[in-house]
Amino acid sequence: QKEVEQNSGPLSVPEGAIASLNCTYSDRGSQSFFWYRQYSGKSPELIMFIYSNGDKEDGRFTAQLNKASQYVSLLIRDSQPSDSATYLCAVNIMGSQGNLIFGKGTKLSVKP
Amino acid sequence: DGGITQSPKYLFRKEGQNVTLSCEQNLNHDAMYWYRQDPGQGLRLIYYSQIVNDFQKGDIAEGYSVSREKKESFPLTVTSAQKNPTAFYLCASTEVGGYSGNTIYFGEGSWLTVV
Repeated sequence: QKEVEQNSGPLSVPEGAIASLNCTYSDRGSQSFFWYRQYSGKSPELIMFIYSNGDKEDGRFTAQLNKASQYVSLLIRDSQPSDSATYLCAVNIMGSQGNLIFGKGTKLSVKP
Repeated sequence: DGGITQSPKYLFRKEGQNVTLSCEQNLNHDAMYWYRQDPGQGLRLIYYSQIVNDFQKGDIAEGYSVSREKKESFPLTVTSAQKNPTAFYLCASTEVGGYSGNTIYFGEGSWLTVV
């Protein structure tokens, strides 16, 4: 059973701090890794994706991938109350015909 | 604007009734998906389709049916056999093999409630 695991949270950080969200996956054949943000009652929206080991930065967001340790993380710098949402980690496994396996998400709360 | 359109946004189903959720995309994506999300839970795959006139069961296909007669459209029918259909339903699509690495994009979702 291929799995993607996330801490459910809630993770609470003060405004302006760095929020760190973590995700582990079970299948070493995983190739692509995605972070989605989902506000309550809304559909998930893509934040960023990463393929290669290392860091990928996009504005205040940085995705970090370590395939040897099978984890991917998302850092949010200068966290804002508007970042309060559930963050879903998703993994695309080789041969899965584009299907993503989603974690259950981590709920982030940014306090003013 | 390109995107994925789901309708209706809210739907109420009576016991024993079949209902159909519409999903249309104008992104020229090859693959389309239906997910179900229960409160506080992750996304579970119901059905997916990689090409017109072909579709595959996901993890929780029982009680659901789909069709893919056109590339742009992938409707989901929730049948009376689905005993606990109250959930948030998400349609998604992706460009298979593209640069985006099979990034999945979602519609706005449909809320289904059994009354």
